Amino acid sequence: EDKVVQSPLSLVVHEGDTVTLNCSYEVTNFRSLLWYKQEKKAPTFLFMLTSSGIEKKSGRLSSILDKKELFSILNITATQTGDSAIYLCAGGAQGGSEKLVFGKGTKLTVNP
Amino acid sequence: NAGVTQTPKFRVLKTGQSMTLLCAQDMNHEYMYWYRQDPGMGLRLIHYSVGEGTTAKGEVPDGYNVSRLKKQNFLLGLESAAPSQTSVYFCASSYRGQGYQPQHFGDGTRLSIL
Repeated sequence: EDKVVQSPLSLVVHEGDTVTLNCSYEVTNFRSLLWYKQEKKAPTFLFMLTSSGIEKKSGRLSSILDKKELFSILNITATQTGDSAIYLCAGGAQGGSEKLVFGKGTKLTVNP
Repeated sequence: NAGVTQTPKFRVLKTGQSMTLLCAQDMNHEYMYWYRQDPGMGLRLIHYSVGEGTTAKGEVPDGYNVSRLKKQNFLLGLESAAPSQTSVYFCASSYRGQGYQPQHFGDGTRLSIL
């Protein structure tokens, strides 16, 4: 059965800290790993990773995929209170399967 | 740009009542999805559609039905609501399948079944 496991499930840090969120996956016919940020309402897209070892970066956020070890990490440097959210990781398959498998999420709280 | 719009935003039902949740997208996307989100459970796929007139079961389809009569709309129905269906429901859409393109999500419908 396909699964995506995120760790930790929750994390509390102080502003300015650097955090690393983990995501391991087992997805049949794996094609991509996606990260979303969810504040109060809709999840918003952060990154899609398909190639191993290539870092994607957007401001203070970055992510990398390891297809050999079947995991991805999301790094956030110099955290701000606005980074407080649930971060969702999901695995997508290629060809024929439309099931995007989500992890349970990591709830990040950044205190001032 | 509206993107993905869900109606209603909130609803309280009594056990056994029926209702329909509406999802509308204005991005001409082929694929549409219904998820439910429960505390500590992440997002779980209920049903999805790969084009107008098509529907398919996801991970947790029992107790729900869907229809995609028009490309821009995807309806989720609860025929006889149960307390276990209390959840936040999200609709999403994408131009291609989930492994190829990120989805756009609506703001969710918070549904309580008493």
